[in-house]
Amino acid sequence: NAGVTQTPKFRILKIGQSMTLQCTQDMNHNYMYWYRQDPGMGLKLIYYSVGAGITDKGEVPNGYNVSRSTTEDFPLRLELAAPSQTSVYFCASSYPLGGLVAEAFFGQGTRLTVV
Amino acid sequence: GESVGLHLPTLSVQEGDNSIINCAYSNSASDYFIWYKQESGKGPQFIIDIRSNMDKRQGQRVTVLLNKTVKHLSLQIAATQPGDSAVYFCAESVRNTGNQFYFGTGTSLTVIP
Repeated sequence: NAGVTQTPKFRILKIGQSMTLQCTQDMNHNYMYWYRQDPGMGLKLIYYSVGAGITDKGEVPNGYNVSRSTTEDFPLRLELAAPSQTSVYFCASSYPLGGLVAEAFFGQGTRLTVV
Repeated sequence: GESVGLHLPTLSVQEGDNSIINCAYSNSASDYFIWYKQESGKGPQFIIDIRSNMDKRQGQRVTVLLNKTVKHLSLQIAATQPGDSAVYFCAESVRNTGNQFYFGTGTSLTVIP
């Protein structure tokens, strides 16, 4: 019953460093998402995927990249970390339901600080 | 992007009272709405959903009301308990924007024992 698993839980990066936030789900969900949540704010969609091999930009994609080589995994890549990317990152998955998208299942989040 | 906003950023209620959290949305084409609960240090968790062809939906201690005329959504929590203290988000899904949800800022609910 793992659901959506994110690693790492915490990370501190220096400006200009790169890293990959890992996300995996074991529910065989087609749809996967990456959100960021700044303090006291709602979630902003970074990228999403409707299936393996398909990705698309969300509201705030600049500075990030994603890939979806398998149904289970949806890693988020930061190439040149900037202080503006300090945030909590949530990965989520969902599935189609009657022409709509069912509720998203979220991971526990990755708290990233860029200094 | 879509505009999904909440009327009140914080709400304090006495234990045992009912809570009402409001949400306004701007896109009349929205098909589907979900309320999420986010406890400190955790990811959002699904509470209840409602489709645009419904006005009301009830769950265990929670009720969601949808008023499409004024584009307003509310979450009612009956007999609020300390464990209900969290941030509550409404999320809006619009069919013509693909398989995405847009989240509001959130309302922080504090239950006073």
